[in-house]
Amino acid sequence: ETGVTQTPRHLVMGMTNKKSLKCEQHLGHNAMYWYKQSAKKPLELMFVYNFKEQTENNSVPSRFSPECPNSSHLFLHLHTLQPEDSALYLCASSQEGPLAGGSYEQYFGPGTRLTVT
Amino acid sequence: AQSVTQLDSHVSVSEGTPVLLRCNYSSSYSPSLFWYVQHPNKGLQLLLKYTSAATLVKGINGFEAEFKKSETSFHLTKPSAHMSDAAEYFCVVSDPPVHASGGSYIPTFGRGTSLIVHP
Repeated sequence: ETGVTQTPRHLVMGMTNKKSLKCEQHLGHNAMYWYKQSAKKPLELMFVYNFKEQTENNSVPSRFSPECPNSSHLFLHLHTLQPEDSALYLCASSQEGPLAGGSYEQYFGPGTRLTVT
Repeated sequence: AQSVTQLDSHVSVSEGTPVLLRCNYSSSYSPSLFWYVQHPNKGLQLLLKYTSAATLVKGINGFEAEFKKSETSFHLTKPSAHMSDAAEYFCVVSDPPVHASGGSYIPTFGRGTSLIVHP
């Protein structure tokens, strides 16, 4: 596997379910991100992890719970979601700090299309 | 604080004609600027980036962008559109992290421009 992978690619869940989204990066990066992409809305940054520590939580409801066990893996645990949470969830990674040389470009996975019924 | 404005939500061109996607930014520092492309049901792919080197930046698939500080613009161009260029394009700005030793990179995305290419 190369780049950034996300599983599952599609997920349908009821409002009372618990599910998890998984992201894995094979690029040796030290920062990972979760974004939400809804139709007709700008891309929304949800969480940022830098060296496994959460550095940003962009006022995301507690029904979304991130987990970053190491610098290569990122999870998004979902619990009692609402229909308005249906969206494409994108994971990204980047190399940050002095080694990055100041470029900070992000590499994205293909996304998980989530539908909450 | 940083912000980015993509001036057109949709741009429609004929195959073989030039493409211009407009982006204006606001930044308190010397920003890094990026263009990403997203094809339907796919993730975002980096097209090109500006990081305070040459102001004319060349990217993949024949795209290029020019950083104009006086106009706070970073417009994306391509001389001749292909059908495969039809996609959503995002302009992104990022100020440097506040910590000297590095830190989280918090980009700001534009709302996107949908490029439509007619045969």
